[in-house]
Amino acid sequence: RKEVEQDPGPFNVPEGATVAFNCTYSNSASQSFFWYRQDCRKEPKLLMSVYSSGNEDGRFTAQLNRASQYISLLIRDSKLSDSATYLCVVIANTGNQFYFGTGTSLTVIP
Amino acid sequence: GAVVSQHPSWVICKSGTSVKIECRSLDFQATTMFWYRQFPKQSLMLMATSNEGSKATYEQGVEKDKFLINHASLTLSTLTVTSAHPEDSSFYICSATAGFGNSPLHFGNGTRLTVT
Repeated sequence: RKEVEQDPGPFNVPEGATVAFNCTYSNSASQSFFWYRQDCRKEPKLLMSVYSSGNEDGRFTAQLNRASQYISLLIRDSKLSDSATYLCVVIANTGNQFYFGTGTSLTVIP
Repeated sequence: GAVVSQHPSWVICKSGTSVKIECRSLDFQATTMFWYRQFPKQSLMLMATSNEGSKATYEQGVEKDKFLINHASLTLSTLTVTSAHPEDSSFYICSATAGFGNSPLHFGNGTRLTVT
């Protein structure tokens, strides 16, 4: 089983829609979680960390469900500029092992 | 925020030559750096984990003699693609972490390598 699993999509949503992605992880001792955004032909950029209590940054909400071992990213009021690939990254309990999801492709349609 | 600089951004080389890619952490000390390769429309593939002052740990299927990694200081890691072939053409990305607590990864801007 992969350390981190993510639905590759693609997700095609109309502008203004709400869309959510999940990412499951296999190691219950994983300690830190992040969402990254990668635009075509560019490097991934940190979108937000995921905290145990959940956190929000504008239209983006990240949540962690330790019992079911998944993290989620919710995007409200989708913009065309949100079109990208969204990667989840999980840090193992050792602190220096990072596990990536395969990325979820999002296209926001006018 | 933390910045990782990667150089060069793109390079075109002839088959059989070697190419060196540098990855620098500009405002933090990176105890661990990672090298990835990404082919078009595919996900990032971890090639190796580089710890300062020790040998890199390569992922299965990655030839250590072909992809030489040196992490001589806390701010610099290099990847040398030796005797490059057209199939080595790819997008190479490094990332770095300070390696403590819940420090996130910071990525370099990537190097697009084309081997002719």
